[in-house]
Amino acid sequence: NAGVTQTPKFRILKIGQSMTLQCAQDMNHNYMYWYRQDPGMGLKLIYYSVGAGITDKGEVPNGYNVSRSTTEDFPLRLELAAPSQTSVYFCASSPRNRGQKDTQYFGPGTRLTVL
Amino acid sequence: RKEVEQDPGPFNVPEGATVAFNCTYSNSASQSFFWYRQDCRKEPKLLMSVYSSGNEDGRFTAQLNRASQYISLLIRDSKLSDSATYLCVVNGAAGSARQLTFGSGTQLTVLP
Repeated sequence: NAGVTQTPKFRILKIGQSMTLQCAQDMNHNYMYWYRQDPGMGLKLIYYSVGAGITDKGEVPNGYNVSRSTTEDFPLRLELAAPSQTSVYFCASSPRNRGQKDTQYFGPGTRLTVL
Repeated sequence: RKEVEQDPGPFNVPEGATVAFNCTYSNSASQSFFWYRQDCRKEPKLLMSVYSSGNEDGRFTAQLNRASQYISLLIRDSKLSDSATYLCVVNGAAGSARQLTFGSGTQLTVLP
C-alpha cells in the first residue's frame, strides 16, 4: 500500500492564481481530511469528508473548496491564492471501524508559497 | 483558552535522560487522546493512543487525567532518534466526525 499520497510536493503561486492540491489514499478509508500547518503552529482543519459525496467545513475553510467523488481521492482547490495561504498542507485519512477509530494517517504534505 | 495547550519547549536533554511533556485540553467531552510525533519538515505520525488507565509502549508512557483534563507523555532512556516535535491530539465532542484538535507541539532535542 502506498498509504496517503499528495501532489505536488512544492508549489509557488502568484497572488490570484488558482491550483488544486491532489490527495489519494489506497487504504479504503471512509474519512479524509485537509489540514494546514503554519510555522510553529499546530494543524488546523480546513475541510473533511466522511465518505464519497459528503464534505464539511473545518476550522479554517475560507478560500478553499473540496470535492469527494470517489473514496480514494480528496482534492483541495484554491481559487484565488493569497499570501495568507502560504503554508504546508497535509491530507489525512482514517478508517471507520471502531478498533482504529480516530487514528489518522497523513500524506507527506505540500509546501505552498504564495507571492 | 486554546483547545489543546502544550509547552512549546524546546526541551534539550542528554542521551539517556528521562523527559516528560504535558498537555491540557479544554473540552471535557473529548473522548480520544493521542500523541503524534512530527519530524522536521515531515508529516505527523501516530506515536501512541492515550487510555484512561495509562499505557506504556517500550520507553514511552502516556497518562490521562480526565478530572484535570491533562495528558502526559514520559520518555525514558532518551535516544538521539527521539528528537522531534511531539503533538498532543484530542478528538472533539461526541458526535464529531473524527475531528481532531492538534496542539502546537513540544520540540525535543536529544543531545549526544
